[in-house]
Amino acid sequence: VQLVESGGTLVQPGGSLRVSCAASGFTFSNYWMDWLRQAPGKGLEWVAIIDTDGTKIAYADSVKGRFTISRDNTENSLYLQMSSLRADDTAVYYCARNRGFNSYDNWGPGTLVTVAS
Amino acid sequence: QSALTQPASVSGSPGQSITIPCTGTTSDVGAHNFVSWYQQHPGKAPKLIIYEVSARPSGVSNRFSGSKSGNTASLTISGLQPEDEADYYCNSYGVTGLFGGGTKLTV
Repeated sequence: VQLVESGGTLVQPGGSLRVSCAASGFTFSNYWMDWLRQAPGKGLEWVAIIDTDGTKIAYADSVKGRFTISRDNTENSLYLQMSSLRADDTAVYYCARNRGFNSYDNWGPGTLVTVAS
Repeated sequence: QSALTQPASVSGSPGQSITIPCTGTTSDVGAHNFVSWYQQHPGKAPKLIIYEVSARPSGVSNRFSGSKSGNTASLTISGLQPEDEADYYCNSYGVTGLFGGGTKLTV
């Protein structure tokens, strides 16, 4: 099982960014997937979840209305579209495989998103 | 949504045992047996070490064990080793995305 995030960079406040997660080594379409994040020096924060075919989605209150999670099962990829970015969105963003009941058995190495002017 | 409560730090000497509590409510930790624990070394991604309160994924040392009583789950690490020094996080099924604040273990 391998998860690899990409797309993190420096972006200005109010800007937009899409981060991606490439999955391999397992049947991607069989698993719910999540995005989680960790601000510098802080704890883990759950961001969003998507079911196997993208029909069931939920977001943390802190990102609702600004972030959009999606997936492409033909490409074995997970995405997080982020808009109206704020300084407090600065974090390492992880994609994680949800083994069920919000237990995450595989994580990517993370991608750093920095929101600053 | 409120975070689960963990102590900010714990410490122990090599060979000793330590326990990290994770306190929730009757709506999350106390409602079911779906509590997980993660180990995170500096600059690395979290690693699942306990799921469903006390189950260990393949490859995780049996020095790591989990338990639960009422609204509090606990992670016990026995025979502490220097490489156990890391941050530890609990999470619970229930309110979506419920994590503890993390505990820094110093060995």
